[in-house]
Amino acid sequence: GENVEQHPSTLSVQEGDSAVIKCTYSDSASNYFPWYKQELGKRPQLIIDIRSNVGEKKDQRIAVTLNKTAKHFSLHITETQPEDSAVYFCAASRATAGNKLTFGGGTRVLVKP
Amino acid sequence: GAVVSQHPSWVICKSGTSVKIECRSLDFQATTMFWYRQFPKQSLMLMATSNEGSKATYEQGVEKDKFLINHASLTLSTLTVTSAHPEDSSFYICSARPRDSVNYEQYFGPGTRLTVT
Repeated sequence: GENVEQHPSTLSVQEGDSAVIKCTYSDSASNYFPWYKQELGKRPQLIIDIRSNVGEKKDQRIAVTLNKTAKHFSLHITETQPEDSAVYFCAASRATAGNKLTFGGGTRVLVKP
Repeated sequence: GAVVSQHPSWVICKSGTSVKIECRSLDFQATTMFWYRQFPKQSLMLMATSNEGSKATYEQGVEKDKFLINHASLTLSTLTVTSAHPEDSSFYICSARPRDSVNYEQYFGPGTRLTVT
């Protein structure tokens, strides 16, 4: 089955700096890669996603890049703010596997004011 | 739109008892719902895929006789933790995928925190 690895596990950045989280996946047939933000005790919230036919997607301060050949994708957050502090999860799924998500281990991001 | 609810939001039960958790899609129909378990400071682990009108598909290592899943309608799936033990204490989260969806997004419920004493 799919295996998703995520790095780093913790990330501390100064407010205004950029944050980058990287994930690798094992199943070359995976075709959907969402990123979630989860605050303590809350549900995961989709912040951005990308499909395998696209190399990059941007939404305001958040961007995701996908390298299908290398089987890795990254989340970029620019101009970080204290409210960006949370745990971020990457995930991968493929339509032929019922769209079930395999999550990475998570990255705890702390934005210091 | 695309709201998923869970009930209860938290529950405390005694070891050996059973607990039922409900997952409802409030404003859409979902042929597929997913159940995840999340231990403190860990990631979400898929337990099973619930399909309306058919048996659930369990992930490797998940005991189907312990975690009973029923997807009786297009808006409701239930997870029953039978003979719960302290090691079953966790955050249980469901997600639902809209029927006839053309994208891949899943909508998550708010989670149910189960504590077994």
